[in-house]
Amino acid sequence: SQQGEEDPQALSIQEGENATMNCSYKTSINNLQWYRQNSGRGLVHLILIRSNEREKHSGRLRVTLDTSKKSSSLLITASRAADTASYFCATANNAGNMLTFGGGTRLMVKP
Amino acid sequence: DTEVTQTPKHLVMGMTNKKSLKCEQHMGHRAMYWYKQKAKKPPELMFVYSYEKLSINESVPSRFSPECPNSSLLNLHLHALQPEDSALYLCASSQVGLGNRVFSGANVLTFGAGSRLTVL
Repeated sequence: SQQGEEDPQALSIQEGENATMNCSYKTSINNLQWYRQNSGRGLVHLILIRSNEREKHSGRLRVTLDTSKKSSSLLITASRAADTASYFCATANNAGNMLTFGGGTRLMVKP
Repeated sequence: DTEVTQTPKHLVMGMTNKKSLKCEQHMGHRAMYWYKQKAKKPPELMFVYSYEKLSINESVPSRFSPECPNSSLLNLHLHALQPEDSALYLCASSQVGLGNRVFSGANVLTFGAGSRLTVL
């Protein structure tokens, strides 16, 4: 069953702008992960944030986690056309061994 | 080797056919997963094999039959499918099996590129 809800469902921006995607979830989690999927391809793991962390960075990616609000955000800075893809959050249960995916945000970066 | 390999990439089959999707990983991962994904939707979990045993079946119809011959291979046997079963089928693996209270991060999934299935 789908645990996370993402918004927006679709986002279109110009190259160089920042893109922010949000994810909300319902139950307590061990960690939250973000994945990227190019059209019709497999998902690629981007970044993981643990339930006791509030912010994490990886290159142009910044992830925040607010467990009190049960929400997370993914920020992609200085976006590139190659960032065009669908982005999914996935929450891990308390045991840390099962993932449930959110609905996804379709990001289009126009050159 | 840090890849999950899925074959075939594309499969077209009739409703009376029997076919199989195959998945292989050589990362020593102990859990393997089948997901189904429809267009513009998130992946939906179908099956999980943990330590080569079927651990989770998400109420998948019996026309889908998984098989895990060894720790590196995962098959999905297809029989008497319906047109609504057309989708992208994704295989994934993770480092540790289910049932263990794992350290955070061990359940990161490595996905294959998927098999695009069309049922006529």
